[in-house]
Amino acid sequence: KQEVTQIPAALSVPEGENLVLNCSFTDSAIYNLQWFRQDPGKGLTSLLLIQSSQREQTSGRLNASLDKSSGRSTLYIAASQPGDSATYLCAVGGGSEKLVFGKGTKLTVNP
Amino acid sequence: DAGVTQSPTHLIKTRGQQVTLRCSPKSGHDTVSWYQQALGQGPQFIFQYYEEEERQRGNFPDRFSGHQFPNYSSELNVNALWLGDSALYLCASSLMRTGGVETQYFGPGTRLLVL
Repeated sequence: KQEVTQIPAALSVPEGENLVLNCSFTDSAIYNLQWFRQDPGKGLTSLLLIQSSQREQTSGRLNASLDKSSGRSTLYIAASQPGDSATYLCAVGGGSEKLVFGKGTKLTVNP
Repeated sequence: DAGVTQSPTHLIKTRGQQVTLRCSPKSGHDTVSWYQQALGQGPQFIFQYYEEEERQRGNFPDRFSGHQFPNYSSELNVNALWLGDSALYLCASSLMRTGGVETQYFGPGTRLLVL
């Protein structure tokens, strides 16, 4: 059974800081890994999708890496801004297969 | 291009009642998945519909049932509601491909409160 763990559960940083969110999964037989952003009481916004054959993906100030063999992924956020404050969720699975989510990391970026 | 839409946005029910939630997938998508997200938790997979049939199911009781219509829209029905069913219910759509992978697009969710 696939289990996804996200560390830390919460993180508070000053504006402008670079930060790393961590995600680990128990079964390396995944199709892909996605990082989502969720604002309070809202749905999920997909940030980055890494295919199982890829090592990383980048979008603007975000960079996500994937190491299937060790069951780990990291989301790197450069030059954090208050607007980045949200809960970040990691999910493994694949497209039309079910996604297994972690509990998320709640990020607060202080002005 | 309309994204995934869900209705209603909020709902209040009492224990024992039944509820129906609705989802319209993103244009061009044919697969709908439903997730339950309790407060402070990650979303949990309920089931997935493709070609009007339930394709996969998570660890949820039979009180949770669904349907997919020919236009790919979907409904989630929950019978005999209890307090623990209070959650944000998320719908995600994707395009089914053989051997391929597609990202899932999520709707804004329906917030269900059971009193």
